[in-house]
Amino acid sequence: AQTVTQSQPEMSVQEAETVTLSCTYDTSESDYYLFWYKQPPSRQMILVIRQEAYKQQNATENRFSVNFQKAAKSFSLKISDSQLGDAAMYFCAYSSGGGADGLTFGKGTHLIIQP
Amino acid sequence: GAGVSQSPSNKVTEKGKDVELRCDPISGHTALYWYRQSLGQGLEFLIYFQGNSAPDKSGLPSDRFSAERTGGSVSTLTIQRTQQEDSAVYLCASSFTYTGYNSPLHFGNGTRLTVT
Repeated sequence: AQTVTQSQPEMSVQEAETVTLSCTYDTSESDYYLFWYKQPPSRQMILVIRQEAYKQQNATENRFSVNFQKAAKSFSLKISDSQLGDAAMYFCAYSSGGGADGLTFGKGTHLIIQP
Repeated sequence: GAGVSQSPSNKVTEKGKDVELRCDPISGHTALYWYRQSLGQGLEFLIYFQGNSAPDKSGLPSDRFSAERTGGSVSTLTIQRTQQEDSAVYLCASSFTYTGYNSPLHFGNGTRLTVT
């Protein structure tokens, strides 16, 4: 079974600074998909960024980018120019694309933005 | 253009009572997922529907849990004889097809269930 590990229960960063959230995963598949979701206090999970494993180029969405290291099975999220609205729980997730198993989530990292 | 809608938003029930949680997915989304999020934990996968069919129900925590989907749309998650350990946020998500890069999950705001 696939597992996703987020080793940082909580991270804190000054507003406007850069922060990196770590994620590692375990799989025997060669093709799969990785996601970062944000969960603010409203509870709704919001897709931040996604990556296909066969694409070597790291995904970027505005201030959010990933460092995808396939051999190391690592998928970290970098948030540049942190804003107060970035404060939330961040979940790393894995999908084999098969459907029936949905997404496998890590336990999350609570990101605090210091004004 | 509504997103995934879940009701009720919050539910407090007494131990031993039955509860029914509702999920209304995005129109046209064939895949629907239920997850459970306990305090301080990640998301635990419960069940997946493709259309009205749930191919694998082994993710449901016990036989007190059941789920159905009708008309390829609304889904209900029923918990019978609720226990305190059932207290959690129950999240529903839908996608155009099964989960993949081009068909990411869209989540509702969840139902917070508290069993007293």
